[in-house]
Amino acid sequence: AQSVTQLDSQVPVFEEAPVELRCNYSSSVSVYLFWYVQYPNQGLQLLLKYLSGSTLVKGINGFEAEFNKSQTSFHLRKPSVHISDTAEYFCAVSDQGGYSTLTFGKGTMLLVSP
Amino acid sequence: EAQVTQNPRYLITVTGKKLTVTCSQNMNHEYMSWYRQDPGLGLRQIYYSMNVEVTDKGDVPEGYKVSRKEKRNFPLILESPSPNQTSLYFCASSLRGVVAGDEQFFGPGTRLTVL
Repeated sequence: AQSVTQLDSQVPVFEEAPVELRCNYSSSVSVYLFWYVQYPNQGLQLLLKYLSGSTLVKGINGFEAEFNKSQTSFHLRKPSVHISDTAEYFCAVSDQGGYSTLTFGKGTMLLVSP
Repeated sequence: EAQVTQNPRYLITVTGKKLTVTCSQNMNHEYMSWYRQDPGLGLRQIYYSMNVEVTDKGDVPEGYKVSRKEKRNFPLILESPSPNQTSLYFCASSLRGVVAGDEQFFGPGTRLTVL
């Protein structure tokens, strides 16, 4: 079974600063990886996903993530954050061709202040 | 508009009183799933369905039931709710499912309080 660890529960940052949200996963097989964002009082929406191919994945709102198989990581980055990026971010993993379950990390709250 | 809808959005009930949370999607998706979200625990999958009449347990299925009689609907049933089921519940759907790497579309959530 797969698992996901998001190393930071909260990340405070100033507007226009860069940010990295960390995600590590564990699985015995190849995986698909996802980042979802949850704005206050809303459901989740997909930021980006890695299925195969290029390890650098670009998503919506200027976010990108890099898949590192050797370090089993999928960290999310943005070079310059905005106040509107304040939200909770979830990393998720599913096994390729295996069980039909999606496992989420516990989430990282990104707090952007002026 | 393509969407996943859930009803009710808010529900306060008492221990032991059966309830159903409805979920419907209008995207002709095969895969549907229920999650619960608790502070500090992230989202945990309760049940999922690969297609009509095909359902399976997720990580935290105890105390819940589901059915998939029609492709568009996937209700979550709590036959005897208990206070530890107080949570925020999300329904989600995707075209073929997580095995295919498809994006999941989430409903707006149902906040359930069991007294």
